[in-house]
Parts: sequence; C-alpha cells; structure tokens
Amino acid sequence: KAGVTQTPRYLIKTRGQQVTLSCSPISGHRSVSWYQQTPGQGLQFLFEYFSETQRNKGNFPGRFSGRQFSNSRSEMNVSTLELGDSALYLCASSPTRLTEAFFGQGTRLTVV
Amino acid sequence: DAKTTQPNSMESNEEEPVHLPCNHSTISGTDYIHWYRQLPSQGPEYVIHGLTSNVNNRMASLAIAEDRKSSTLILHRATLRDAAVYYCILTNMLTFGGGTRLMVKP
Repeated sequence: KAGVTQTPRYLIKTRGQQVTLSCSPISGHRSVSWYQQTPGQGLQFLFEYFSETQRNKGNFPGRFSGRQFSNSRSEMNVSTLELGDSALYLCASSPTRLTEAFFGQGTRLTVV
Repeated sequence: DAKTTQPNSMESNEEEPVHLPCNHSTISGTDYIHWYRQLPSQGPEYVIHGLTSNVNNRMASLAIAEDRKSSTLILHRATLRDAAVYYCILTNMLTFGGGTRLMVKP
C-alpha cells in the first residue's frame, strides 16, 4: 500500500512569490491535514479537510489556503511568501479523524 | 481546544523501560489520546491511541489515568532507534505541542 506522497520534496522561492504544495493521501483515506513545522514553533496545524470540506483551520493568515479534490488529493497554497514561511510542510491522511494518521515526508520550503 | 503538556526531554538507557508522561487536564469526554513520534528528518509516525482503557500494541503500551487527565506512554525496552520526539495529542490533532525529546544511551 503506497504511503502519503508529498510533492515537491524541496522548493526554493523568492519573497513575494506564491507556491502550491501537493499531497496524495493513502488510497481510501478521506481526511487530510496539513501542518507547518519550524525549529522555533514546532508542529503547527494549518487545515483539515474531509470529503472536500474544510473541517478545521489553524491560526494562520489568509495567505495560507487549501483545498481537497474529489479523489481526496489535497493542495495548499501560500501567496505573497515571506521569509518566515520557510518551513517543513507536512501532510497527514487518515480514514477518519478518530483513527491513526499517516504522515508524508513533507515539503521543505525555503523562501529567500 | 484542549492542550497537552509534556516534559521537554527525557533520557533512558538502552534495553530499559521508558515512561513518557503527558498531562491533558482539559480533555473532553470524547477526546481520544494519540501518541506519535518523529525521528530525525522524517514525518511523525503513529505509535498508539486510546480512549479510556489501557492499550497495548507491538510498539508500546498506553496507560490512561482513571480521570483521563493524564496518560503515560511506555516503551518496554528502549532501543537506540527509539530516540525521537514523542508527541501526545488529543483527537482532532489541532495542537501538537513541543513533545518530549527522548534520548537513549547505549
């Protein structure tokens, strides 16, 4: 069974640009969550989607957005990138919210 | 949003049991308690979860206090590969907290 796939693995962007990250959950999983991990702030929740609907949103500015498609694949977008957006972005999928979640390897975003 | 509190770091000797504590005094009646761990340069990995009763699996045991305000992850025999950051979180996984960095000495 294939795991959670995040693309790209590494990304370098310039301040002011926008970026789209992709997450393909495990087949059959309908819940996808996104997290930002930085050395200073640890793991912070961004969004949770279930069956194409956003169920929860973390405390991030409106520059951070996401969506989920009918095949459960999810994307997150960050517009007007800032240096502080440099982080590891992790995606997790699970069948439902109450079961174990499986994390991808993450996308390492560097903003210069 | 209920939060969890864990010690920043703990140390253990290889082959010895490790008890990792977690406080979640504002837990609600429907919150499950989940434990994940994160090895260096990897995404978090599921360890175990439970609601009220103690739970065992091949990786660890989870002991949940009767009032559910705290829990303990038990690694029965720590190995060097268990060195990681361990996170205790509640059902909706909105708040991971800083976790406990477990160091295992040979």
